[in-house]
Amino acid sequence: QVQLQESGPGLVKASETLSLTCSVSGGSISTYYWSWIRQPPGKGLEWIGYIYYSGNTYYNPSLESRVAMSVDTSKNQFSLKVRSVTAADTAVYYCARDGYCSGGTCIGLVDYWGQGTLVTVSS
Amino acid sequence: QLVVTQSPSASASLGASVKLTCTLSSGHSYAIAWHQQQPEKGPRYLMRVNSDGSHSKGDGIPDRFSGSRSGAERYLTISSLQSEDEADYYCQTWGTGIRVFGGGTKLTVL
Repeated sequence: QVQLQESGPGLVKASETLSLTCSVSGGSISTYYWSWIRQPPGKGLEWIGYIYYSGNTYYNPSLESRVAMSVDTSKNQFSLKVRSVTAADTAVYYCARDGYCSGGTCIGLVDYWGQGTLVTVSS
Repeated sequence: QLVVTQSPSASASLGASVKLTCTLSSGHSYAIAWHQQQPEKGPRYLMRVNSDGSHSKGDGIPDRFSGSRSGAERYLTISSLQSEDEADYYCQTWGTGIRVFGGGTKLTVL
């Protein structure tokens, strides 16, 4: 059973950088896509971006200028950084397994979620 | 532009069935995933609904949950509704370099 666990500070000051790490257990990070998704209080799910195990990344255009993702296959972890945060970045942040490529066919659907971590941006 | 549309709310009685709808933007025929988010909890993967209408469920998902499609619409049907089915349900699809969630449907079990 694949399990994902987010870790990082729960409080970040405005204008600083939010940093989170997702640790994957019960399976290899290799051959899969991995996403970060967030949910502001009382709102729906927003996709932030994904990273392939090889390091290729794609980001939500609305966040692309402030976001960076990385992967460490030796630790079975992947990470998120969001620069210059504001109160609008306050949300529960989820990491998720987000698809794979096999036999020339790729699929990008989330099938495992982390439990989520609340990040609050303070002024 | 890839858009996923869901009705904001739905309701049905305890023990009844309900069918939730996810509408994909024109020309998009990929598979979708359904996710359930119970109050104060994180999302849980329910199933994948393929472009041919077949579906495959996640680990431990009861037989009461099923998926289907008609044209651009993808459905999640929940039968024999139980109180714990009261939740938000999200539809998700993908394209090259993008993932998209619908706005979610809040299901109330009466």
